[in-house]
Amino acid sequence: DAKTTQPTSMDCAEGRAANLPCNHSTISGNEYVYWYRQIHSQGPQYIIHGLKNNETNEMASLIITEDRKSSTLILPHATLRDTAVYYCIVRVYSGGGADGLTFGKGTHLIIQP
Amino acid sequence: EPEVTQTPSHQVTQMGQEVILRCVPISNHLYFYWYRQILGQKVEFLVSFYNNEISEKSEIFDDQFSVERPDGSNFTLKIRSTKLEDSAMYFCASSEARGFEQFFGPGTRLTVL
Repeated sequence: DAKTTQPTSMDCAEGRAANLPCNHSTISGNEYVYWYRQIHSQGPQYIIHGLKNNETNEMASLIITEDRKSSTLILPHATLRDTAVYYCIVRVYSGGGADGLTFGKGTHLIIQP
Repeated sequence: EPEVTQTPSHQVTQMGQEVILRCVPISNHLYFYWYRQILGQKVEFLVSFYNNEISEKSEIFDDQFSVERPDGSNFTLKIRSTKLEDSAMYFCASSEARGFEQFFGPGTRLTVL
């Protein structure tokens, strides 16, 4: 799986959009970008994934640059409950690649009231 | 909404004792996983399980560990002779297929004294 780089921590005001960047300059053509988050001491939670097109679901939006070397997870209206560690993971979607997810240190997002 | 469940939520054991951690994956999922997270450290992949056998395991998953799906619903992780360094949160996860998004349980906190 390609290596990812994320800022260690970020702050965001409640109600504002939280934009979490991730660099994955060595991503391969068949690798997807996944985002998970871990709220304090809970199990990681899947958020969203994408290959090259922008994706949106009920939790977040994922913007992937045209060269696919970086991406941004957007939480459109952050709440205090969005305070968590956010992990950007690059991996093959299905049929190949490793089974296990490789978690880095992620970005600790703190939503300020 | 279907979810992964784990029991117990907290297990305390003496060094050298055997422990069994239990998980009930989401019912239509075919791949099952165990991860661990030592306090303050990254989430680490231990093992994946498919079709009643280990699909992949990490270097951490040595002979002290074993996994089993004893019936159609439970998935267990056994640690034969616990060490102090086995103290960690253990997360079970499941997915519909290999490479698909993984859904995590709330974890079991294992404390080895």
